[in-house]
Amino acid sequence: QVQLQESGPGLVKPSQTLSLTCSVSGGSISSGSYYWSWIRQRPGRGLEWIGYIYNNGNTYYNSSLKSRVDISLDTSKNQFSLKLTSVTTADTAVYYCARAATVLLDSWGQGTLVTVSS
Amino acid sequence: QSVLTQPPSVSGAPGQRVTISCTGTTSNIGAGFDVHWYHQLPGTAPRLVIYATNNRPSRVPDRFSGSKSGTSASLTITGLQPEDEGDYYCHSHDSGLRGSVFGGGTKLTVL
Repeated sequence: QVQLQESGPGLVKPSQTLSLTCSVSGGSISSGSYYWSWIRQRPGRGLEWIGYIYNNGNTYYNSSLKSRVDISLDTSKNQFSLKLTSVTTADTAVYYCARAATVLLDSWGQGTLVTVSS
Repeated sequence: QSVLTQPPSVSGAPGQRVTISCTGTTSNIGAGFDVHWYHQLPGTAPRLVIYATNNRPSRVPDRFSGSKSGTSASLTITGLQPEDEGDYYCHSHDSGLRGSVFGGGTKLTVL
């Protein structure tokens, strides 16, 4: 069974870049027809899709975040990453990585809280 | 404002039946895209409970079922149990937005 684990700084200063990595175990991110995804949940709010990357490197982003988001794959480490630039306090959230089989998100990481504050 | 609309809260007594609605548009649910449902307990990641409108992962009891009609979908839980409490989210694809969309979430309280 595939498992996912987010890692990265829990505190980021405004205007800086948020960088998170998702380590995948129990399966290769290079194989299968999966989209490797990032979702976030702001405090007290619902889920927000950030984007995903297919194993061929094609990326798909939420249009509201597209100008600031970059998702990439590192197949040698079986990881994928999220970069969100020019962050503000509105980007404070729990960030989840997940595996998507077409659309449905069948495996999730436990989530990591990222606070944007000076 | 979420693309998919859910009621903020529903409640029911143990053993009762509750239904959570998810209303979309002709760009998502109405376009025929699958609807998926997730259950989230406080401080934990969401877990899939229904996929492709009315399919259950093997670990999910058959008290959970889903349906879809037109631009709306529903999640029904029969024989409500205390462990069913939590937040439920619907999820689909939107052709206009070219990506995933979620409902705003519904808090289920077991009285």
